[in-house]
Amino acid sequence: DTAVSQTPKYLVTQMGNDKSIKCEQNLGHDTMYWYKQDSKKFLKIMFSYNNKELIINETVPNRFSPKSPDKAHLNLHINSLELGDSAVYFCASSQYPLSGSVGEQYFGPGTRLTVT
Amino acid sequence: RKEVEQDPGPFNVPEGATVAFNCTYSNSASQSFFWYRQDCRKEPKLLMSVYSSGNEDGRFTAQLNRASQYISLLIRDSKLSDSATYLCAVNDGGGFKTIFGAGTRLFVKA
Repeated sequence: DTAVSQTPKYLVTQMGNDKSIKCEQNLGHDTMYWYKQDSKKFLKIMFSYNNKELIINETVPNRFSPKSPDKAHLNLHINSLELGDSAVYFCASSQYPLSGSVGEQYFGPGTRLTVT
Repeated sequence: RKEVEQDPGPFNVPEGATVAFNCTYSNSASQSFFWYRQDCRKEPKLLMSVYSSGNEDGRFTAQLNRASQYISLLIRDSKLSDSATYLCAVNDGGGFKTIFGAGTRLFVKA
């Protein structure tokens, strides 16, 4: 069973289009994340949700809108795609760190977005 | 200063070698520390959490030095299959934000 799944795996689209990426986790975690990994391989957090509530929004353009219908799902909608949005987008999940020492994250396989 | 900085790579080592990676972090209030491994065109996968007392998992040893604000990863008896990018990660505050280093690429050669 796949723990964290994302669809689609590849997305090729033209500038100006709107696209969505979906993420689901079956680990029972209550926190989910979106990360962007650019061509230099730097992995940067975009959003974090805890129990469907937005916790972190890391100065991401408002063309990016996450939505969490329940704590097992976190989707990402991107409006008016730009060339600079080309990257790999990873979804991840973790359990809320009750003791402060937990926080291991489990990543989905990634969505490779190419904007032409 | 970057929040999390790693040794620049790549590291090229022969099979059987011992290799060490360091990672420094800027926030002294950071509470949780991790090493992830990322293979080419794959997702990051947790390699080890790093505990204050240091921890070992087979050929891998992780250590934390809070005073100097760095974590390390030691790989003994390197295997070809250890070739990957190693990312250190620091989890701040309540656990919702994890900051990743840029990664260190390791190539193990036969």
